[in-house]
Amino acid sequence: NAGVMQNPRHLVRRRGQEARLRCSPMKGHSHVYWYRQLPEEGLKFMVYLQKENIIDESGMPKERFSAEFPKEGPSILRIQQVVRGDSAAYFCASSQLGDVYEQYFGPGTRLTVT
Amino acid sequence: DQQVKQNSPSLSVQEGRISILNCDYTNSMFDYFLWYKKYPAEGPTFLISISSIKDKNEDGRFTVFLNKSAKHLSLHIVPSQPGDSAVYFCAASVSSSNTGKLIFGQGTTLQVKP
Repeated sequence: NAGVMQNPRHLVRRRGQEARLRCSPMKGHSHVYWYRQLPEEGLKFMVYLQKENIIDESGMPKERFSAEFPKEGPSILRIQQVVRGDSAAYFCASSQLGDVYEQYFGPGTRLTVT
Repeated sequence: DQQVKQNSPSLSVQEGRISILNCDYTNSMFDYFLWYKKYPAEGPTFLISISSIKDKNEDGRFTVFLNKSAKHLSLHIVPSQPGDSAVYFCAASVSSSNTGKLIFGQGTTLQVKP
């Protein structure tokens, strides 16, 4: 029973490039959440998605960030024109329908912007 | 605006003794609370949760206490083991929103010495 999978685990991008982070939820889970952890801080909620729907994106920066969870395939968090301040660990979590607070986290993607 | 605060960045405890990790919150709408444990280079792992209708929840060596009037919760680990050494995050949510949005504290690093 595979857990939440994220790839890549480490991603290095130069300023101005695009970063694409992928998340495959646990089998049977239809809800995906993205969180960001800046150095020395806790995790900050970014977005909550169900298949083909964004339910809550209140934590997403207004520009350059987008997320999707298509009918087939993993959820994608996309950051356009990355800046140094985007360097962080990005965690994806998933949950079952009807139990949105029992979230299982992936190992994270560590993004470094040079 | 830090709605969930863990004021102790670190805690050191001897093996076999009790570890007490504390968490304060400011938003009176929060009614569901969780504790996560995180090892380096891994995602957070769910430990234990408590609803605001309770003041205590126990699971093996882990007990969470909730004091609603003080807006304070604590995690007790008894007895502490070296394998418990990790970063512990408390998280809070408004369950009626049903968005799965968790608000995390900054974390407390627990070191259990053999």
